[in-house]
Amino acid sequence: KQEVTQIPAALSVPEGENLVLNCSFTDSAIYNLQWFRQDPGKGLTSLLLIQSSQREQTSGRLNASLDKSSGRSTLYIAASQPGDSATYLCAVRGTGGGADGLTFGKGTHLIIQP
Amino acid sequence: DTEVTQTPKHLVMGMTNKKSLKCEQHMGHRAMYWYKQKAKKPPELMFVYSYEKLSINESVPSRFSPECPNSSLLNLHLHALQPEDSALYLCASSPAGGVYEKLFFGSGTQLSVL
Repeated sequence: KQEVTQIPAALSVPEGENLVLNCSFTDSAIYNLQWFRQDPGKGLTSLLLIQSSQREQTSGRLNASLDKSSGRSTLYIAASQPGDSATYLCAVRGTGGGADGLTFGKGTHLIIQP
Repeated sequence: DTEVTQTPKHLVMGMTNKKSLKCEQHMGHRAMYWYKQKAKKPPELMFVYSYEKLSINESVPSRFSPECPNSSLLNLHLHALQPEDSALYLCASSPAGGVYEKLFFGSGTQLSVL
């Protein structure tokens, strides 16, 4: 059964810093990995989707990498802004997940201090 | 239009009430999903519709009744709910339900059962 761990659980940094969020998974037989952002009481906004054959994806100030063999992904946020404050969820899709193939991590709660 | 629209945003209901949650997308997606998310937990899959047919029911109690009247619309009918059913209910869609596809989530309905 797939297990997804996100470290750290919470992170608070000053505005302008570059930061890295980590996601690790136990079963490397995955189809893809998706990073989401969730604001309090709101839905999930898809940030980046990395297929198992890809190494990284970039969108604006965000860069996500995937090392399938070691079971790790990182989300790099450059020049952080207070508007980046949210919970970031990593979701792995593979044969070891639920009926939809998805296994979510518990998220990293990020606070960017002005 | 790349949005999944959920209504209402908030709902308060008593245990004897009947209410419905609505989800709509106009991206031409043929797979639609219902998830339940408790506070500080990751989303949990409830139902999947593929080409307007129910393909996955994750052993959800019968007080939750999904309906997919057409390819753009997904409803979740609620009846005789319990206080522990209070949660954020998320709708999602994907092009055809394939494992390599990106999931698009709505902003959710925050449900409180009194």
